[in-house]
Amino acid sequence: DGGITQSPKYLFRKEGQNVTLSCEQNLNHDAMYWYRQDPGQGLRLIYYSQIVNDFQKGDIAEGYSVSREKKESFPLTVTSAQKNPTAFYLCASSVLSGATINEQFFGPGTRLTVL
Amino acid sequence: SQQGEEDPQALSIQEGENATMNCSYKTSINNLQWYRQNSGRGLVHLILIRSNEREKHSGRLRVTLDTSKKSSSLLITASRAADTASYFCATGAGGYQKVTFGTGTKLQVIP
Repeated sequence: DGGITQSPKYLFRKEGQNVTLSCEQNLNHDAMYWYRQDPGQGLRLIYYSQIVNDFQKGDIAEGYSVSREKKESFPLTVTSAQKNPTAFYLCASSVLSGATINEQFFGPGTRLTVL
Repeated sequence: SQQGEEDPQALSIQEGENATMNCSYKTSINNLQWYRQNSGRGLVHLILIRSNEREKHSGRLRVTLDTSKKSSSLLITASRAADTASYFCATGAGGYQKVTFGTGTKLQVIP
């Protein structure tokens, strides 16, 4: 059963704590992405990675960190420096084929709430 | 900043009617994609149209692209209650795998 999974589905965090959101894919995709979605809004790109051990900042990277040690995994850490972390976080992956922009496959999302 | 802006922000129609959503963007693109999101879920890819294409069909979906006006439209024909969702356009540009999502149209199909 191929796909992209995220865990946990719901996450609660106290202010000042770092938390890590998991994203795993078994689609053999090279590219992976993290987005943030606020209520009634579109998606904003946090970080993306096109290859293992390499990643680039998106539009709203401040207060977040990522790693890409394995092709299948792209965890996102929400640090205490992120001032307003309560949001819905979506992970996605896609095939890389030169300059062609390909469709992205999304996980089910993690809803993070800061208490 | 978000590249695409969908219009309308919300749309309510009766089952069986057609639904049309529009997307406008600001800079040159390689392609434009439409995605669907059910409430509280991840996005699902619907259709991709390249910058050298003007129209594309997939089942009950019809997408048009007008690069001179920097706009696209998504038409869902013979809508069903199960089509109730938010619909997003996403534009791809440049030589890397980054797309920019619009703000979305929330569609409600009333049975």
